Amino acid sequence: GAVVSQHPSRVICKSGTSVKIECRSLDFQATTMFWYRQFPKQSLMLMATSNEGSKATYEQGVEKDKFLINHASLTLSTLTVTSAHPEDSSFYICSARVGSGLAGGMSYEQYFGPGTRLTVT
Amino acid sequence: GQNIDQPTEMTATEGAIVQINCTYQTSGFNGLFWYQQHAGEAPTFLSYNVLDGLEEKGRFSSFLSRSKGYSYLLLKELQMKDSASYLCAVLDSNYQLIWGAGTKLIIKP
Repeated sequence: GAVVSQHPSRVICKSGTSVKIECRSLDFQATTMFWYRQFPKQSLMLMATSNEGSKATYEQGVEKDKFLINHASLTLSTLTVTSAHPEDSSFYICSARVGSGLAGGMSYEQYFGPGTRLTVT
Repeated sequence: GQNIDQPTEMTATEGAIVQINCTYQTSGFNGLFWYQQHAGEAPTFLSYNVLDGLEEKGRFSSFLSRSKGYSYLLLKELQMKDSASYLCAVLDSNYQLIWGAGTKLIIKP
């Protein structure tokens, strides 16, 4: 159980175009989904947190107009990189959690998708 | 501020034992996670500790001391496939995961 899929796994796009990445929780309903970015040999960097049906909360320094997040259902969140530039090339990873204080901290485990390798040329 | 410290890199020999330490200072504590991340892949869950003590799971064990703000991940009988980054993450009082920078573990034959 607790499988998260991410699509596409790899994408190459031209500078100035937009790219959409989908993140789905396949066998559970995720109250919260997270989007991370990871540059080579660096740690995960949280970009934003999204709860179903509400606006995403972006981390400091992340442009919300450039990285559009939609969390339309309990099993789907999308990240759209608008007007992509070469510096946006990175490994984008989503994660999902059930997360309920009533169930204790273990329920806040994040289940990660396999990641999307974005290359902007 | 919130801070999680772990060594940047460690090297160990196949078949040996290695201990990866993690110290934390966070606003509140609701548990500590360890994740494994192979290069080019997403992190995968290894362990969760919320009470003091040692949790053993096969070749991997995780220890927590809340009074010391300290945890370690112990890997026994190291295999080449254990070469990866190991991420320590703390669930703070707002149930937000605070991530360490990760420890890259290199296994040598």
